[in-house]
Amino acid sequence: EAGVVQSPRYKIIEKKQPVAFWCNPISGHNTLYWYRQNLGQGPELLIRYENEEAVDDSQLPKDRFSAERLKGVDSTLKIQPAELGDSAVYLCASSLEAWSGGLNGELFFGEGSRLTVL
Amino acid sequence: KQEVTQIPAALSVPEGENLVLNCSFTDSAIYNLQWFRQDPGKGLTSLLLIQSSQREQTSGRLNASLDKSSGRSTLYIAASQPGDSATYLCAVNSGYSTLTFGKGTMLLVSP
Repeated sequence: EAGVVQSPRYKIIEKKQPVAFWCNPISGHNTLYWYRQNLGQGPELLIRYENEEAVDDSQLPKDRFSAERLKGVDSTLKIQPAELGDSAVYLCASSLEAWSGGLNGELFFGEGSRLTVL
Repeated sequence: KQEVTQIPAALSVPEGENLVLNCSFTDSAIYNLQWFRQDPGKGLTSLLLIQSSQREQTSGRLNASLDKSSGRSTLYIAASQPGDSATYLCAVNSGYSTLTFGKGTMLLVSP
């Protein structure tokens, strides 16, 4: 069974340029998450989707970040314009369900997309 | 706000040693706790998931314990190997599988 797939793996851009990341979750997983991981830190949640609905985007910097999950499967995270401080690894994860407990709440992560803003 | 702390930040041991990684969290109202492994430049690999009602989980040479009332979890690695070298992250689920992560423990096992 394929895991969570992300692309691109690496992206280098100039500041003020736009960038987009794509994620394909594990088949059948209803819940999709975007996390950001800065160097030497643990990942921090940006947004959580239940099917196609963004149910928790409180940590998403909405002035420059946007995300969508059309048809409740693949998702795209966009930054426009990018700033130097956006350099990080953007991780996508999925879970079968986001209910509070149980094995269905186990998260599975992709390889991440490493962004460098110059 | 949930805060997760991992000690030590880095650990270097010779091959064959048994070792313990520590994780503490400030809010004991959790649903489960997950331990992950992260290799350099890679994503996170789930190692163990402990439900709030459980005391421990085992997978091969790994054993994770949970003391929810005291806000602590430990990851025990038996007979460490060079291939165990990685960063180990503890993450707490306080609801809807939104995880709060620690900063990780960077482990180096030398041959």
